[in-house]
Amino acid sequence: DAEITQSPRHKITETGRQVTLACHQTWNHNNMFWYRQDLGHGLRLIHYSYGVQDTNKGEVSDGYSVSRSNTEDLPLTLESAASSQTSVYFCASSDSTGPNEKLFFGSGTQLSVL
Amino acid sequence: SQQGEEDPQALSIQEGENATMNCSYKTSINNLQWYRQNSGRGLVHLILIRSNEREKHSGRLRVTLDTSKKSSSLLITASRAADTASYFCATEDSNYQLIWGAGTKLIIKP
Repeated sequence: DAEITQSPRHKITETGRQVTLACHQTWNHNNMFWYRQDLGHGLRLIHYSYGVQDTNKGEVSDGYSVSRSNTEDLPLTLESAASSQTSVYFCASSDSTGPNEKLFFGSGTQLSVL
Repeated sequence: SQQGEEDPQALSIQEGENATMNCSYKTSINNLQWYRQNSGRGLVHLILIRSNEREKHSGRLRVTLDTSKKSSSLLITASRAADTASYFCATEDSNYQLIWGAGTKLIIKP
């Protein structure tokens, strides 16, 4: 079955370190998204991509970067981790017919920045 | 800014009862979606309703959309323990931005 997987599931890091969260999907979807989820907030969009070599900034992109070298993967990099980036991170994908419709989500990465 | 806002924030009902949660939004939308999130898991798409639709059904789920009141409701009939989860609405605005609400936490008591 097609799926979207994130790794690691849990990560603890120190302030100032570079961290990369992996996202891999086997749906063959063109559209991929990174969100963060914090208590009391809805999902907030960090970055998104509509295809290989395409990346776009979302609502809360400062301090984050992504690259899209193939259809399956969209890694999220925190350039210099800050305590404010402690959160649960979700990767999602969707097909091309409606990029914002029927998103498929990974199980999330719980990131703690100490 | 937060477009979709769910109400109530939390809801606890007995198994077998119906659960209703609401979503309000501020600007015109292209569509509205409902997602479910089980504890410690990712979100799962439940249903999408477009701005020109008023009601949709999927199994035990019924979604209504009132664009004049800028609100939607999600009804889960004959609730089960497995329906315990958080439910989120997401609205796509006219700029094709997807905005998420903070969710309703639903607890089904056996």
